Amino acid sequence: AQSVAQPEDQVNVAEGNPLTVKCTYSVSGNPYLFWYVQYPNRGLQFLLKYITGDNLVKGSYGFEAEFNKSQTSFHLKKPSALVSDSALYFCAVRDQKGGYQKVTFGTGTKLQVIP
Amino acid sequence: GAVVSQHPSWVICKSGTSVKIECRSLDFQATTMFWYRQFPKQSLMLMATSNEGSKATYEQGVEKDKFLINHASLTLSTLTVTSAHPEDSSFYICSAAKTGTNYGYTFGSGTRLTVV
Repeated sequence: AQSVAQPEDQVNVAEGNPLTVKCTYSVSGNPYLFWYVQYPNRGLQFLLKYITGDNLVKGSYGFEAEFNKSQTSFHLKKPSALVSDSALYFCAVRDQKGGYQKVTFGTGTKLQVIP
Repeated sequence: GAVVSQHPSWVICKSGTSVKIECRSLDFQATTMFWYRQFPKQSLMLMATSNEGSKATYEQGVEKDKFLINHASLTLSTLTVTSAHPEDSSFYICSAAKTGTNYGYTFGSGTRLTVV
């Protein structure tokens, strides 16, 4: 079984400050890891993914995430938050074992960037 | 590239009627598509995995006779909510996996279904 934990329901950060949205995962094998962002009444937009290789992954809109295998974490980060970053963020995981296996999503973290 | 179109974006229907939601991969072929349901302020719940030319695989607890899935071509999957009831009101999202890759999932923009 695979699972994802996003321990914070909401993260508040002042505009211009660095932000971190936490994610830990559990899979039996090696993981594929993803971050998605969702704006109200919209579908999910892909931010970034970790497949293999460099542990630091850079994605869209200045976001990055660091894969830490020993801590089974994949925290999302941005050096300087914008008000427009306010949205719902989902971490997701699937096992690298072959086939189109289902992706498991975390419960989401609402990011509020305060002007 | 890798665009998924979902239609309609919102729909209101009367109890007892059926509603069809379409998910199209516009610029790639998708052997496999996924249908999710999202309740307010909750995560996405996978409902079923749709495979082109074969029957969909439903997750435990999802009524296959109520949520009919058809994946008739490599670019189109449909979800039909049959005999809809107010408790079926939700946000439905599809995603598609590009044929030949096993990790690239692209999501549609979602469909807000309201049953009155």
